[in-house]
Amino acid sequence: DIQMTQSPSSLSASVGDSVTITCRASQSISTYLNWYQHKPGKAPKLLIYDASSLQSGVPSRFSGSGSGTDFTLTISSLQPEDFATYYCQQSYSTLTFGGGTKVEIK
Amino acid sequence: QVQLQESGPGLVKPSETLALTCTVSGGSISSYYWSWIRQPPGKGLEWIGYVHTRGSTNYNPSLKSRVTISVDTSKNQFSLNLSSVTAADTAVYWCARGIMVRGVIYFDSWGRGTLVTVSS
Repeated sequence: DIQMTQSPSSLSASVGDSVTITCRASQSISTYLNWYQHKPGKAPKLLIYDASSLQSGVPSRFSGSGSGTDFTLTISSLQPEDFATYYCQQSYSTLTFGGGTKVEIK
Repeated sequence: QVQLQESGPGLVKPSETLALTCTVSGGSISSYYWSWIRQPPGKGLEWIGYVHTRGSTNYNPSLKSRVTISVDTSKNQFSLNLSSVTAADTAVYWCARGIMVRGVIYFDSWGRGTLVTVSS
């Protein structure tokens, strides 16, 4: 299986900060990489697919980049509703998710 | 807008079969990768498998020997059967709609999730 490693596992930030989350694949996955936001008790929400395509309805402060093994999710100006856990997911082979990054309020 | 709703027992005994159904409303069930994903308490997300409405299936190898996912297009439903469960199968289970674009499969719609506890 392809292992997806996210870093950091958690971070503290303030409203208005720019935040970057990294996802590294154990082998090249081209751009077969998606990002989700998950809040407790809710369904995960798709943010980015195909590494950099913004899902319809998702605010433009979210962006994704990368290809091969290294990917990033950036939130350009953190809003109160963005405090959540973020997961990457690859579909190059057996679908796997990263371990998650919890974004907390500083 | 498509909506998904999981249904099934919230408590299953060890060694028995966990059976969940997902009902799809507000959209067509055709031509998607209907999936099950779970999250054990305190852990990350784990993809279980999917069924395509053309009939093909794909399962996580770690669960493949115990998993069956099927679809009933006449009822707009798809189902998960996970046999020989243990406490390690205790998790929140989500059904989700998978879309393939340029070879990338992503999940754009999810149910609200249902907690299944394995305990005697």
